[in-house]
Amino acid sequence: GAVVSQHPSWVICKSGTSVKIECRSLDFQATTMFWYRQFPKQSLMLMATSNEGSKATYEQGVEKDKFLINHASLTLSTLTVTSAHPEDSSFYICSAGAGTSGRAYNEQFFGPGTRLTVL
Amino acid sequence: AQKITQTQPGMFVQEKEAVTLDCTYDTSDPSYGLFWYKQPSSGEMIFLIYQGSYDQQNATEGRYSLNFQKARKSANLVISASQLGDSAMYFCAMREVDGNKLVFGAGTILRVKS
Repeated sequence: GAVVSQHPSWVICKSGTSVKIECRSLDFQATTMFWYRQFPKQSLMLMATSNEGSKATYEQGVEKDKFLINHASLTLSTLTVTSAHPEDSSFYICSAGAGTSGRAYNEQFFGPGTRLTVL
Repeated sequence: AQKITQTQPGMFVQEKEAVTLDCTYDTSDPSYGLFWYKQPSSGEMIFLIYQGSYDQQNATEGRYSLNFQKARKSANLVISASQLGDSAMYFCAMREVDGNKLVFGAGTILRVKS
């Protein structure tokens, strides 16, 4: 199956700093990437949909100025948490779509996630 | 309205036995896809099985099968011959054709006992 990587896998930062998380599709081109946030023992909540070459589409309630998303190429999307605070501590997961029809069109391939802790 | 409902917060199953994880969904779109993912404690999302709304047969992938009852809008996951490594969080998800988003259920924590 298609492989998606995320970097870093975990990060600890001080309150007020910005953190950038990278999501890469390693063996396919992804026109669309998705960013999710997950709190412990809870479900994945979609934050935004990232389209290559255009602005991201944010879900209701997600601050676009706080969570900056850039999808500069067909294999890379980045999420920057600006001026991070302890309440931003969470598990952030990206996914990418690869196919054009059938199950492949529907399926999303997930990165391994990034655990962010803001002190 | 909640689109994906997983009513079992947690389940226990004895090793080597079968277990069914429930999932019901709500959509007015005739074309949609249903997914099950496994998330172990490491956090990675592992794809298990897919069912398209127009698929005539229930999907199967090794020890995983999906009991798809379209009229009842249910898509239960059946794991046969449970193994200790099956202990994880399991998510049901749906993608509607009109949107390109996956909507996840709340998840079910499965614990396999030896």
